[in-house]
Amino acid sequence: ETGVTQSPTHLIKTRGQQVTLRCSSQSGHNTVSWYQQALGQGPQFIFQYYREEENGRGNFPPRFSGLQFPNYSSELNVNALELDDSALYLCASSPAGTQTDTQYFGPGTRLTVL
Amino acid sequence: LAKTTQPISMDSYEGQEVNITCSHNNIATNDYITWYQQFPSQGPRFIIQGYKTKVTNEVASLFIPADRKSSTLSLPRVSLSDTAVYYCLVGGQAGGGNKLTFGTGTQLKVEL
Repeated sequence: ETGVTQSPTHLIKTRGQQVTLRCSSQSGHNTVSWYQQALGQGPQFIFQYYREEENGRGNFPPRFSGLQFPNYSSELNVNALELDDSALYLCASSPAGTQTDTQYFGPGTRLTVL
Repeated sequence: LAKTTQPISMDSYEGQEVNITCSHNNIATNDYITWYQQFPSQGPRFIIQGYKTKVTNEVASLFIPADRKSSTLSLPRVSLSDTAVYYCLVGGQAGGGNKLTFGTGTQLKVEL
């Protein structure tokens, strides 16, 4: 069984640019969540997708957007990058019918904005 | 989601038992308590989850008193590889989806 994978592992962008991060969920999981983790902080919830629809959003501006595809993989898009967007971006998937907070995280994408 | 409070850091030695306590005074009736472990530059990893009393799995035990306002993660006989950040989360599936709310966690350092 393949776990959650993310690409790329590292990325360097400049302020004002746009970035797309990708996530493949674990087999059998139809829910994907994205988190931003700044250095020394816990992960912060960005949004969640369930069956290709957004299913909850955290306190992030609209320039953070996402997609989920029919195979349940997902993308996180960030427009007009700011220096404070530098962080580890984590994707987590959870199985269908989950009743509790068990999510399976990928290794993350380290984004650096210069 | 209920706010959690846990120590910022703890130190231990190999072979010792480590207990990390988390306070969650305003836990709701349908909330579960979940602990995650995170190594540097990796995603958090689910350790254990419980609702009440005691839960044990192959890596840890979780003790939850009757009032559920706190919980204790117990790691038996820690090793150097248990050095990580441990997060206590409280919540459950809500109408807006399973949003996990992480605090700053407890940095556990295990030494020889």
